[in-house]
Amino acid sequence: AQSVTQLGSHVSVSEGALVLLRCNYSSSVPPYLFWYVQYPNQGLQLLLKYTTGATLVKGINGFEAEFKKSETSFHLTKPSAHMSDAAEYFCAVSEETGGFKTIFGAGTRLFVKA
Amino acid sequence: KAGVTQTPRYLIKTRGQQVTLSCSPISGHRSVSWYQQTPGQGLQFLFEYFSETQRNKGNFPGRFSGRQFSNSRSEMNVSTLELGDSALYLCASSFQGYNEQFFGPGTRLTVL
Repeated sequence: AQSVTQLGSHVSVSEGALVLLRCNYSSSVPPYLFWYVQYPNQGLQLLLKYTTGATLVKGINGFEAEFKKSETSFHLTKPSAHMSDAAEYFCAVSEETGGFKTIFGAGTRLFVKA
Repeated sequence: KAGVTQTPRYLIKTRGQQVTLSCSPISGHRSVSWYQQTPGQGLQFLFEYFSETQRNKGNFPGRFSGRQFSNSRSEMNVSTLELGDSALYLCASSFQGYNEQFFGPGTRLTVL
């Protein structure tokens, strides 16, 4: 069965500092992995995705994530935080098993201090 | 391309009533998924439709139902509303279902 664990419901960083949001997953088949961002009163927007191939995935707004199969992790990073990065971030895993079901993590709210 | 649209954006209902929410996917997308988002439970998968067939369903009571039309537009219905059904209901469309999803802005349902 799929599951997603995001470590830390809240993360606070200073502007210009490294952003690291952690995500671990479990999946019975090779997974599709995603990071989404949600700004207040809006739907979710895709940041990046891993399907197959290169394990280091680059996304929008300077974010990237590395798929580590041995650690079942897909952590999200950004070298330098910007005030506009303050939002809620969701890690998600998807499996195609006759149907399609995406499981989202609980979310991590990122605060960026000036 | 126009994005995913959801109507209405806001809805206030009372306990016991029923409600129908609508979702229009991106043109060409055949998969539509529905999610319930609440502060306590986060994002929970309701169901996914592909070419008018429900392919997958989450762990919600039978009061929650949905359907998809031949033009891929989808509706979800909640009958006999309870206070706990107050949530943001998000619809997402995808070309095939397992690749990235594009989310609508959501419908904020408040049950009084």
